[in-house]
Amino acid sequence: DQQVKQNSPSLSVQEGRISILNCDYTNSMFDYFLWYKKYPAEGPTFLISISSIKDKNEDGRFTVFLNKSAKHLSLHIVPSQPGDSAVYFCAASALTGGGNKLTFGTGTQLKVEL
Amino acid sequence: KAGVTQTPRYLIKTRGQQVTLSCSPISGHRSVSWYQQTPGQGLQFLFEYFSETQRNKGNFPGRFSGRQFSNSRSEMNVSTLELGDSALYLCASSLWPDYEQYFGPGTRLTVT
Repeated sequence: DQQVKQNSPSLSVQEGRISILNCDYTNSMFDYFLWYKKYPAEGPTFLISISSIKDKNEDGRFTVFLNKSAKHLSLHIVPSQPGDSAVYFCAASALTGGGNKLTFGTGTQLKVEL
Repeated sequence: KAGVTQTPRYLIKTRGQQVTLSCSPISGHRSVSWYQQTPGQGLQFLFEYFSETQRNKGNFPGRFSGRQFSNSRSEMNVSTLELGDSALYLCASSLWPDYEQYFGPGTRLTVT
């Protein structure tokens, strides 16, 4: 049962343009969402997060949007840079459940081309 | 501040053996979680420790166990290794009650 889904395994974008990565979830108990960037053979690097009480959070070139009714979130990267090429994972947590367990999506490979 | 460190970085073991992996969290972080990454299953939660107590556990067999020490350092142990245990094992720490988890570089375990 895949509770967090990233339906696009890969995405190719030109340098300077916007990258939009999407994520859907099914568990209505999830109330905290995070995006991570990962290079091969390294641990994920935290990028940005959003609580379910918000619908948008911005940090520099990264913006995360949350649509609770659709159980959908997206990560926007503007402008995209070649160094952004990596696998991006969305993750979700149910804060009310106690503890700190992240459920990850399957990842989207972003390639930013010159 | 130093990041999350994991030792060893690479490990090769034989089926049936056991292995212990170590994780040192970011200074001041009391929550430590472990994840397994495989090509087929992706990133999956193993367990979380907070103040030396297991607070959450994922759907893994009892061969997978862990513990946390008073200095928040954590170890995970896998007994009776199987070929399917070959994976990247990741440790993450967080400053409770903040929910951002910061990951270490991982330990690549290969079971032959």
